[in-house]
Amino acid sequence: EVQLLESGGGLVQPGGSLRLSCAVSGFTFSSYAMNWVRQAPGKGLEWVSGISDSGGAKYYADSVKGRFTISRDNSKNTLYLQMNSLRGEDTAVYYCAKKTVGKTVAGTSGMDVWGQGTTATVSS
Amino acid sequence: DIQVTQSPSSLSASVGDRVTITCRATQRISIYLNWYQQKPGKAPNLLIYDASSLQSGVPSRFSGSGSGTDFTLTISSLQPEDFATYYCQQSYSSPLTFGGGTRVEIK
Repeated sequence: EVQLLESGGGLVQPGGSLRLSCAVSGFTFSSYAMNWVRQAPGKGLEWVSGISDSGGAKYYADSVKGRFTISRDNSKNTLYLQMNSLRGEDTAVYYCAKKTVGKTVAGTSGMDVWGQGTTATVSS
Repeated sequence: DIQVTQSPSSLSASVGDRVTITCRATQRISIYLNWYQQKPGKAPNLLIYDASSLQSGVPSRFSGSGSGTDFTLTISSLQPEDFATYYCQQSYSSPLTFGGGTRVEIK
């Protein structure tokens, strides 16, 4: 069974850091691009970051560029999101999502498998 | 950056109705437009990819069309389990972007 399991969320003060993890199973992790998507309370979906299959290409939303870093360890079947300089507007449920087909973040197909989400709350 | 705008933002419909949601991109994105359904407290679920391809396991009452800048999601006969929020998303180029969502409510 294909599964994505996020962890690492929690309560952090403004300016603090969190590292989210997404452990995957049931498919060849190294063959797919991966993404992080977030949803603030009561709001819509916002794409945060994406990474190619090898990890060689990384992309970010303007709202997190310079503060967040996406990475992956294909030997551990795990995706990461390092979040620094956190702000109140970063409060959200963070989902990791697998690209349906393809090694690149953009291009054909959408995101066919999603984790259950992990919640990051930034507040003093 | 490419923006995608959905309309309407919400709608009320009855079981059995035909429902249409539109999505417009700020520049041509070929067919790289995807549709998702999300229910409260759950992760999104991919319905349609590449504008008109039905994702495996998704009922055939869902269909998508369009190319370039204008796209449509159609539910041919609304079922009770279809009451949810729907999002379009462009995958033509990074940053990937989602539409604001369309909430489909029971009339």
